[in-house]
Amino acid sequence: KAGVTQTPRYLIKTRGQQVTLSCSPISGHRSVSWYQQTPGQGLQFLFEYFSETQRNKGNFPGRFSGRQFSNSRSEMNVSTLELGDSALYLCASSLKASGSYEQYFGPGTRLTVT
Amino acid sequence: GENVEQHPSTLSVQEGDSAVIKCTYSDSASNYFPWYKQELGKGPQLIIDIRSNVGEKKDQRIAVTLNKTAKHFSLHITETQPEDSAVYFCATWGAAGNKLTFGGGTRVLVKP
Repeated sequence: KAGVTQTPRYLIKTRGQQVTLSCSPISGHRSVSWYQQTPGQGLQFLFEYFSETQRNKGNFPGRFSGRQFSNSRSEMNVSTLELGDSALYLCASSLKASGSYEQYFGPGTRLTVT
Repeated sequence: GENVEQHPSTLSVQEGDSAVIKCTYSDSASNYFPWYKQELGKGPQLIIDIRSNVGEKKDQRIAVTLNKTAKHFSLHITETQPEDSAVYFCATWGAAGNKLTFGGGTRVLVKP
C-alpha cells in the first residue's frame, strides 16, 4: 500500500507571495492533518480535516488555510509569506475509524521563503 | 493546552548498548502515546505506540513504558545499531482536540 505523498518536495518563494502544498493520504484514510516543523518550535499542529471538514485548528494566523477534497486529498495554502514561514510542512493521514489514532506522515514539503 | 517535555535532547551511545528517552506530559486525559523516528530528509515514522490502558509494550528491540500516575512514558532501545541513529519524537493525543502534541525530540547517535 502506498504511503502518504506530498508535492512538491521543495519550494522556494519570495516574501509576500502565496503557496499551495498538496497531500495525498494513504488509500482508505479519511483524516489528514498538517504540521509545521522548524528547528526552533519543533513540530506544531496546523489543522486537521475529516470528510472535507476542518475539525481542529492550531495556533497559527489566518494566513494558513487548508481544504480537503471528496477523495480525501488535502491542500494547505499560505498567503502573504513571511521569512518565518520557512519550514518543513508535514502531512499525516489517519484511518480515523473509532479508536484509531495512528497517524502516518509523508516526507514533507521543504518551503524556503526569501 | 497539553505540554510534552522530552529528555535528553541528545544521546550518544556505543553500538550494542541501550538507549532510553523519557517524556512527561501535562494533560491527565491524554490516552494515546506514540513514538516517531525521523531520519534526515524524511518524515517522522511511527515506530511504536501505547494506549492509556496498557503499561508496557514491546516490539523486538524497542519497548515503551507508561506511568499514568506520574504522567510520563519512556522509549527503550536495546542492542542499539548504527541504523538506530536518528531523531526520536514522543507525542501525546489528548482527550480534547484531534491532534498530536510532540516533545522537542532527541537526537540519538549510535557509535560503531
